[in-house]
Amino acid sequence: EPEVTQTPSHQVTQMGQEVILRCVPISNHLYFYWYRQILGQKVEFLVSFYNNEISEKSEIFDDQFSVERPDGSNFTLKIRSTKLEDSAMYFCASSPGGAWNTEAFFGQGTRLTVV
Amino acid sequence: DAKTTQPPSMDCAEGRAANLPCNHSTISGNEYVYWYRQIHSQGPQYIIHGLKNNETNEMASLIITEDRKSSTLILPHATLRDTAVYYCIVRATSGTYKYIFGTGTRLKVLA
Repeated sequence: EPEVTQTPSHQVTQMGQEVILRCVPISNHLYFYWYRQILGQKVEFLVSFYNNEISEKSEIFDDQFSVERPDGSNFTLKIRSTKLEDSAMYFCASSPGGAWNTEAFFGQGTRLTVV
Repeated sequence: DAKTTQPPSMDCAEGRAANLPCNHSTISGNEYVYWYRQIHSQGPQYIIHGLKNNETNEMASLIITEDRKSSTLILPHATLRDTAVYYCIVRATSGTYKYIFGTGTRLKVLA
């Protein structure tokens, strides 16, 4: 069964360093998302991406964040200068399209720890 | 903000049906109801979604009231592996495709 793959599963980084979280969405899916979940809190929307551009972003997704689809298979989230409060689980998701009756499938997440 | 209300927690005996309620009294006519679950800190797992008709798949059934103001997710024969947080999500149709997760219902299946 196709699945969304995220790497690495766990990343530890020094505060102020740049990190890139990687995702391989399900093949032929067109709509991509990043979410995050701080320990013990809700799953929060960060950004959605379609047709090689950001469709929507939340207030969390400030200038320190960027997304890219560098090739036909990968979808990345970059945090330019990490802060302690960026420590969270980051989930990538993809869906066949953006229609409201198509479900999104989530990866298993990357646990980012900023020290 | 999430447009749904769910009980914070529920228990269910293993082998019995788990019925998880969700209120979405402000739902609009073309908004879908989605259910996801999250086991421990794993990625949310899609379960089922519907608009107004009842839906069933290999995982669960979704019963939506006629006025669409509430719904119930039914896991017909709960197992210990169904212990998770279950999220009921009303997907906005105001030009956004994002899913807004609330706090969900923490379902504990008891042996």
